[in-house]
Amino acid sequence: GAGVSQTPSNKVTEKGKYVELRCDPISGHTALYWYRQSLGQGPEFLIYFQGTGAADDSGLPNDRFFAVRPEGSVSTLKIQRTERGDSAVYLCASSPVVSGFETQYFGPGTRLLVL
Amino acid sequence: AQSVTQLGSHVSVSEGALVLLRCNYSSSVPPYLFWYVQYPNQGLQLLLKYTTGATLVKGINGFEAEFKKSETSFHLTKPSAHMSDAAEYFCAVSPNSGYALNFGKGTSLLVTP
Repeated sequence: GAGVSQTPSNKVTEKGKYVELRCDPISGHTALYWYRQSLGQGPEFLIYFQGTGAADDSGLPNDRFFAVRPEGSVSTLKIQRTERGDSAVYLCASSPVVSGFETQYFGPGTRLLVL
Repeated sequence: AQSVTQLGSHVSVSEGALVLLRCNYSSSVPPYLFWYVQYPNQGLQLLLKYTTGATLVKGINGFEAEFKKSETSFHLTKPSAHMSDAAEYFCAVSPNSGYALNFGKGTSLLVTP
């Protein structure tokens, strides 16, 4: 079946602008995760959803970052007043349930460049 | 917090040689451990995972890893490297009561002819 998809694949924006990154999880997966991967680093957890609710957003770096999942499927990561330091690959993953042992299936990521 | 350390940011092996990628974890309780592979311009793909039970875990593409509690290690091995194995490899840990993966910094594997 279809995997996790993310759009756009690449996004170039200017400092101070607002961006939205979209994630379509695998159909039927209730858990959805966002990670950020900076150059030369492993992915870092940002937020996860169980259904429609953000169960843990402790990884969001500051209040410029926000994510929603209104219908329990597609999720959007929103970044306000972008800064050059926000440049990274933003990864989305989904899993059938929320647990430590369940496999998370990752999308290809959105590469964000803030000029 | 649980974390992993990957020793060696770059590893180079000859085609046909043994692949050994090292991962050590820090955890006060038995964790869940994962190895993911990332090919250029592709998403992370699960190679294998350890949750409970047998400590030697076999994954895809001929890879395997052994959970050694006494050494707090979960090293990834493959007996014979192929050119197609060249990629970035990430070790990750998840608490057995949690969900978010904590990743290592990754090891870039280069396979030479």
